[in-house]
Amino acid sequence: EVQLQQSGPELVKPGTSVKISCKTSGYTFTKNTMHWVKQSHGKSLEWIGGINPNNGDTNYNQQFKGKATLTVDKSSTTAYMELRSLTSEDSAVYYCAREDRYDDAMDYWGQGTSVTVSS
Amino acid sequence: DIVLTQSPASLIVSLGQRATISCRASQSVSTSSYTYMHWYQQKPGQPPKLLIKFASNLESGVPARFSGSGSGTDFTLNIHPVEEEDTATYYCQHSWEIPYTFGGGTKLEIK
Repeated sequence: EVQLQQSGPELVKPGTSVKISCKTSGYTFTKNTMHWVKQSHGKSLEWIGGINPNNGDTNYNQQFKGKATLTVDKSSTTAYMELRSLTSEDSAVYYCAREDRYDDAMDYWGQGTSVTVSS
Repeated sequence: DIVLTQSPASLIVSLGQRATISCRASQSVSTSSYTYMHWYQQKPGQPPKLLIKFASNLESGVPARFSGSGSGTDFTLNIHPVEEEDTATYYCQHSWEIPYTFGGGTKLEIK
């Protein structure tokens, strides 16, 4: 069974950084691109970027360049997203989502990680 | 960036009737072979769930009362007959180019 298990909620101070993890199981980690998606409270979904776990190649939404950095650890089949220089605008739920190898759609999602930026 | 405009923003449908949700893209997301449009369902407190991929292909395990259609710039998600458990927000999303974008969402209520 494919599973994406994300790290727990974060309460962080403005100006700091946070690193969210997405531990995967049930499939071959290197065969599927991993995406990250932001959902601000009560709002729609924003694609942050994607990473190819096989070679580390990344694509970012221009809006998140300089804000988000995507990495993977193949040995632990875990994807990471670091967010830096946090402001209240970064307070949101962040999801990791696996891309289907054949259909481009995001077929499995993590449960989401809530990030609250507050002093 | 491709803008996806969903309508209506909210919808109330009687149990057993049909729900129709539209998604219009600011440019074509279709080739002669593939259409790079997908639909998701999100219930409160849960992550999105993939329903339809490539505009009309039902994801495994999704009930057949969900169907998708369209090509180019105009797409439709139909749910018939609607059930209580279909109460949720529905999103379209394209994978035509970077950046991927999502529609603004349609909130479906069943009465």
